[in-house]
Amino acid sequence: KAGVTQTPRYLIKTRGQQVTLSCSPISGHRSVSWYQQTPGQGLQFLFEYFSETQRNKGNFPGRFSGRQFSNSRSEMNVSTLELGDSALYLCASSLALGEGRYFGPGTRLTVT
Amino acid sequence: DQQVKQNSPSLSVQEGRISILNCDYTNSMFDYFLWYKKYPAEGPTFLISISSIKDKNEDGRFTVFLNKSAKHLSLHIVPSQPGDSAVYFCAASAVCSGGSNYKLTFGKGTLLTVNP
Repeated sequence: KAGVTQTPRYLIKTRGQQVTLSCSPISGHRSVSWYQQTPGQGLQFLFEYFSETQRNKGNFPGRFSGRQFSNSRSEMNVSTLELGDSALYLCASSLALGEGRYFGPGTRLTVT
Repeated sequence: DQQVKQNSPSLSVQEGRISILNCDYTNSMFDYFLWYKKYPAEGPTFLISISSIKDKNEDGRFTVFLNKSAKHLSLHIVPSQPGDSAVYFCAASAVCSGGSNYKLTFGKGTLLTVNP
């Protein structure tokens, strides 16, 4: 069974731009969650989707948004990029809410 | 406020010996705990989990112990192998009454180095 895939793997953007990251969960998994990893803060929860509905949200500004499609694929959008948004963005999928999460390889976003 | 703490940023052990990775939490609502391993340039890999109704869960070389009264859990790897060298993250989640709150709260990780 294929794992969680994330595209693109690497991205360079400039301040003020917006970016969309994509995540395809493991086949059959209906829950997708997003995390931001930075050296100083570790892994921080962004939001979680299940059945196209956002079920949980972390403490990030409204510039961070996401959505989930009927095929469980998910996208994350960051608008008006700031230098501090440079991070590894990880997507994880699970069969249902509360199950063990399986992570993708991440998208490395660099904001210059 | 850091609700999940891994106080040791790094740990070094000899191949064949036991590795013990520790994690403390402050939120008494946490009832599900997980350990992940992460290699550079890869996403975290789920290793093992434990529910708060148990105090021990074992899977091959990996055993997780949970001490709810102390709000402490540990991951034991026996015997340690050089391939186990990675960053290990402890994570916790809670189910609040009246709804669901399954978001994972992660510790900052412990870098384990297993020397041949």
